[in-house]
Amino acid sequence: DSGVTQTPKHLITATGQRVTLRCSPRSGDLSVYWYQQSLDQGLQFLIQYYNGEERAKGNILERFSAQQFPDLHSELNLSSLELGDSALYFCASSVGLAGVSGTGELFFGEGSRLTVL
Amino acid sequence: DQQVKQNSPSLSVQEGRISILNCDYTNSMFDYFLWYKKYPAEGPTFLISISSIKDKNEDGRFTVFLNKSAKHLSLHIVPSQPGDSAVYFCAATVQLHASGGSYIPTFGRGTSLIVHP
Repeated sequence: DSGVTQTPKHLITATGQRVTLRCSPRSGDLSVYWYQQSLDQGLQFLIQYYNGEERAKGNILERFSAQQFPDLHSELNLSSLELGDSALYFCASSVGLAGVSGTGELFFGEGSRLTVL
Repeated sequence: DQQVKQNSPSLSVQEGRISILNCDYTNSMFDYFLWYKKYPAEGPTFLISISSIKDKNEDGRFTVFLNKSAKHLSLHIVPSQPGDSAVYFCAATVQLHASGGSYIPTFGRGTSLIVHP
């Protein structure tokens, strides 16, 4: 158990809809990262928040947005969903900006599997 | 443009033998290299890392080798055990900005290792 909690574990929805994925980081971790894993693809970095503020942005679509709340949990909002958005969405956390010991070691949740029909 | 490449989608090894997983990268600015292990229905978990100033790091049965001139790293597992069967992700990090900037791991697509009893 990594200590990172993601909900829901599975989600099935239709094209054009909007969903929200939730992540609770490990206790004490200030930094939250969102990654997307599509079929046969590696983990694609979407966005990072640190103590409530956006710190880094990757290949995140304009239809997607995220935020980190004062209690440090984070939500990833996906709107106007398309078939290609079907993927596994991972949340990860770390104490600071640089993972453990500055190496980039992150602690991942089990992921939220989104299926768009 | 994939900066971290794992060209072998799968690898099959006999129990007790050596498993060698390979990874190539293109960005010479990467500071750290990491290997993550992922079991089905679980998130990736950190396995071992190596700094760009080193060429070898060992942790029990796991050794990572880094060849900077070739932009290549490999993970050796000796001896391989059936419980090592998982997907292994290679990742690399670089600090986005000086003075406390984020380290965001860039992941490869993964190699599925199967260790046969």
